[in-house]
Amino acid sequence: AQSVTQLDSHVSVSEGTPVLLRCNYSSSYSPSLFWYVQHPNKGLQLLLKYTSAATLVKGINGFEAEFKKSETSFHLTKPSAHMSDAAEYFCVVSFSGTYKYIFGTGTRLKVLA
Amino acid sequence: NAGVTQTPKFRVLKTGQSMTLLCAQDMNHEYMYWYRQDPGMGLRLIHYSVGEGTTAKGEVPDGYNVSRLKKQNFLLGLESAAPSQTSVYFCASSPGTEKFVNSPLHFGNGTRLTVT
Repeated sequence: AQSVTQLDSHVSVSEGTPVLLRCNYSSSYSPSLFWYVQHPNKGLQLLLKYTSAATLVKGINGFEAEFKKSETSFHLTKPSAHMSDAAEYFCVVSFSGTYKYIFGTGTRLKVLA
Repeated sequence: NAGVTQTPKFRVLKTGQSMTLLCAQDMNHEYMYWYRQDPGMGLRLIHYSVGEGTTAKGEVPDGYNVSRLKKQNFLLGLESAAPSQTSVYFCASSPGTEKFVNSPLHFGNGTRLTVT
């Protein structure tokens, strides 16, 4: 079965410290992987995407993610957190030739001053 | 370029009332989706469409109906609203599969629905 798991429902970091949001997927097929960010009372904005090109993907606002096939992971990182990064983050997996986009349950990032 | 537009932004219904949520996209996308978002549950797919005139059920379709008479519009209907349908509803669209790769979803800003 195809699924995606976000390992932490809440993450707190201090401003200026690194961010790590973890995502694992399970699939028999080659996936397309995405990270979205949702600020309070807003829609979902695409941060970055992996679609079988480079395994290290750079996104907007200094975020990046690395696709590791052997670990079936697609963790999101940022070297230095900013207060404006406080939001909910969703890992999403999709599979070639299908309509399906499977969402993780989200990780709420809190940034402490 | 407006992208994906949802109307209305907010709505309060009484139990048993009906309403229609409208989603419009101007990107000529083939695929369109309706999701609901509830705390701690991520986004759950209600219905989707892979082209004009086609619709299909997602994982939580009960109590909802949809139509896609025009490629750019995807309507979500609640025939008899229930308190369990209190949620935030998001519409999304995607070009579909290109060269065996799935494109990202583009989202509207959501509709916050309360059923009392």
